[in-house]
Amino acid sequence: DSGVTQTPKHLITATGQRVTLRCSPRSGDLSVYWYQQSLDQGLQFLIQYYNGEERAKGNILERFSAQQFPDLHSELNLSSLELGDSALYFCASSSRLAANTGELFFGEGSRLTVL
Amino acid sequence: GNSVTQMEGPVTLSEEAFLTINCTYTATGYPSLFWYVQYPGEGLQLLLKATKADDKGSNKGFEATYRKETTSFHLEKGSVQVSDSAVYFCALILTSYGKLTFGQGTILTVHP
Repeated sequence: DSGVTQTPKHLITATGQRVTLRCSPRSGDLSVYWYQQSLDQGLQFLIQYYNGEERAKGNILERFSAQQFPDLHSELNLSSLELGDSALYFCASSSRLAANTGELFFGEGSRLTVL
Repeated sequence: GNSVTQMEGPVTLSEEAFLTINCTYTATGYPSLFWYVQYPGEGLQLLLKATKADDKGSNKGFEATYRKETTSFHLEKGSVQVSDSAVYFCALILTSYGKLTFGQGTILTVHP
């Protein structure tokens, strides 16, 4: 158990819909990262937050947005969903000291299926 | 840009066989290198890391050496077990950039 909690574990929805994925980082971790894992694209970095502020942005679509709240949990919002958005979405966290060292703790992921 | 290339999988081995999974990288600067492992139904876990050239990372019988001259970080294990069946990801980070870049992943299946 990594200590990172993601909900929901599975989500099935239709094209055009909007969903919210939630992540609770390990206790005390200030950095939260979102990754998308798909068969064709592999593991893609989406966005990073550090103590409530956006720190780095990767291949995140404009239809997607995220935020980190004062209690440090994070939400990833996916809107106008398309079939190609079907993927496993991982949240990861790291401690303040490890923020840029690559030592991340991953949750079990949220599997999104868009029909 | 920065990138990581792993050997194509899947890799299928018998128990106690020797394992090598190749990983090469391209980076502007001097990255830290990692191997992460993803067991079925779980998130990724850090397996080992190396932060500078010639460093050897090791954990659970796995080893990888940071080779700057060949820009490689190949994963090895002398005797694999069925429980090693998983997906293995090579990754790099440039500290100043703070983004962990992953390879495509290599599926390893070990048969009894």
